[in-house]
Amino acid sequence: RKEVEQDPGPFNVPEGATVAFNCTYSNSASQSFFWYRQDCRKEPKLLMSVYSSGNEDGRFTAQLNRASQYISLLIRDSKLSDSATYLCVFLSGGYQKVTFGTGTKLQVIP
Amino acid sequence: GAVVSQHPSRVICKSGTSVKIECRSLDFQATTMFWYRQFPKQSLMLMATSNEGSKATYEQGVEKDKFLINHASLTLSTLTVTSAHPEDSSFYICSARPEGYGYTFGSGTRLTVV
Repeated sequence: RKEVEQDPGPFNVPEGATVAFNCTYSNSASQSFFWYRQDCRKEPKLLMSVYSSGNEDGRFTAQLNRASQYISLLIRDSKLSDSATYLCVFLSGGYQKVTFGTGTKLQVIP
Repeated sequence: GAVVSQHPSRVICKSGTSVKIECRSLDFQATTMFWYRQFPKQSLMLMATSNEGSKATYEQGVEKDKFLINHASLTLSTLTVTSAHPEDSSFYICSARPEGYGYTFGSGTRLTVV
């Protein structure tokens, strides 16, 4: 089983739609979880951290399910500017081992 | 906020030459920095962990003699791609993890070897 599995997409959604991505991980020792956003040919940027209790920031909600070993990202009321690749990131090994998902590409269509 | 500055952003070099990429933490000290490589349509792959004042730790399959890493101060790490070949063409990116923040990335360096 891969360390991280993430649907590459692309997810093509109309403006205003709600879209959700999941990312599963195999290392139960993973300690911290993040969602990053990467625009084409740019560096990844931190979108939000992910907690078991859930984390909401405006239109974005992230959730961690430790029992099933996955994290999720929900985007409500999609905007054109949300078009990007979303990477899940896991830290383990005392925060020294970083594992990236392959990214899910989102394309919001007018 | 914590900023990691990386340059150059883009470099084209001839096959066989060496290229140095710099990564600086601007408003924090980074005892550890990370170097990644990203090929088109692929995820970031960790190449090595750079440790201030000591040797870098390389991931399996990464040639330490080809990718020289120097972390001489708490704010600067450099990656030198020696004797570059076209297959080394990639997007190289560094990151650090300031206290209290998630991983912060440099803006990346797009290397093209011709």
